[in-house]
Amino acid sequence: GENVEQHPSTLSVQEGDSAVIKCTYSDSASNYFPWYKQELGKRPQLIIDIRSNVGEKKDQRIAVTLNKTAKHFSLHITETQPEDSAVYFCAASKIAGTASKLTFGTGTRLQVTL
Amino acid sequence: DTGVSQNPRHKITKRGQNVTFRCDPISEHNRLYWYRQTLGQGPEFLTYFQNEAQLEKSRLLSDRFSAERPKGSFSTLEIQRTEQGDSAMYLCASSPAGYGYTFGSGTRLTVV
Repeated sequence: GENVEQHPSTLSVQEGDSAVIKCTYSDSASNYFPWYKQELGKRPQLIIDIRSNVGEKKDQRIAVTLNKTAKHFSLHITETQPEDSAVYFCAASKIAGTASKLTFGTGTRLQVTL
Repeated sequence: DTGVSQNPRHKITKRGQNVTFRCDPISEHNRLYWYRQTLGQGPEFLTYFQNEAQLEKSRLLSDRFSAERPKGSFSTLEIQRTEQGDSAMYLCASSPAGYGYTFGSGTRLTVV
């Protein structure tokens, strides 16, 4: 089955700096890669996703890049703000027909300091 | 219908008791997933429904766990003879076609 590794496990940046979180996946058939943000005691919320036919996607201050050859994808947050502090999870899935199970990474705790 | 609803939010039970959780997905979503999350870990897949059909179940899932989705609407997850290791947050998510899961707020189970 799919295995997703995520690094780093914790990340501390100063407000205004950029943050990068990296994930690798094992199943070359995976074709969908979402990122979720989870604040303490709350539900995971989708912040951005990318499909395998695209190399990069951007939404305001967040962007995701995908390297299918190397089987890794990354989340980039620019101009970080205190409200970006949370745990971020990457995930991978092979979506085909009825198959659509997400496999999650272990999470990155991002702390944005003033 | 503003999101995925899960009940109860918290459940404390004694070891050996049975518990049942409910999930009401977004009404237009035909896919429904159950995940389990322990402290400091990512959500771990348990099982998945497309409409009323249970299409996949994790190999890690004990026979004490069972899930249903009658009529393809809400779903229930039952855990029989609970153990302390079952203590976790149980998350439900729904999706229209496998993309863009929307998660519920979860049910936190504590087995004492």
